[in-house]
Amino acid sequence: GAVVSQHPSWVICKSGTSVKIECRSLDFQATTMFWYRQFPKQSLMLMATSNEGSKATYEQGVEKDKFLINHASLTLSTLTVTSAHPEDSSFYICSARDRDRGRMNTEAFFGQGTRLTVV
Amino acid sequence: AQSVTQLGSHVSVSEGALVLLRCNYSSSVPPYLFWYVQYPNQGLQLLLKYTSAATLVKGINGFEAEFKKSETSFHLTKPSAHMSDAAEYFCAVTRNQGGKLIFGQGTELSVKP
Repeated sequence: GAVVSQHPSWVICKSGTSVKIECRSLDFQATTMFWYRQFPKQSLMLMATSNEGSKATYEQGVEKDKFLINHASLTLSTLTVTSAHPEDSSFYICSARDRDRGRMNTEAFFGQGTRLTVV
Repeated sequence: AQSVTQLGSHVSVSEGALVLLRCNYSSSVPPYLFWYVQYPNQGLQLLLKYTSAATLVKGINGFEAEFKKSETSFHLTKPSAHMSDAAEYFCAVTRNQGGKLIFGQGTELSVKP
């Protein structure tokens, strides 16, 4: 149980185009999902917190108009990198919390990540 | 504000040797602490977590960690390293249930035959 699936696992796009990454909780409902960015040999940096049915909360320094987050259902959140540039190339990882674990919910389940390369 | 510091960006051990990965935290409230493992080009897998119950926490794959409030530490150990343990390890902290995770900078573990 508690599987989070990201799609695609890797993508190459041309500079100036937009790319959408999906994050799905396969066997649980997630009111909250998190999006992280990870550069090579570095840690995970939280980009934004995605809340079902409401606007995402972005971390300081993250451009909300460039990284569009939509959490339209309890099992799906999407991250769209708009007008991508080579410096957006990175490993993007999502995580989700199981809504039904309630107050015992201390664990976030992670997707397998998406490698984005902008050329 | 909360933070975690992992001492040593790279640790190398021989197969069968003790693994010790260090993590110190800073938190103004009782923290929840986690250790995750990441294999190349993959997401994170939870090894173990501390949620204010037992201070010695046992996780998967033979790993364990001890919460020491006096030392603000949550070091990860494994008595005998296996080649398959080679990966990146992250310590993380959150201040409350459901809160966002703050990650340390990671420690790359290499295991020599």
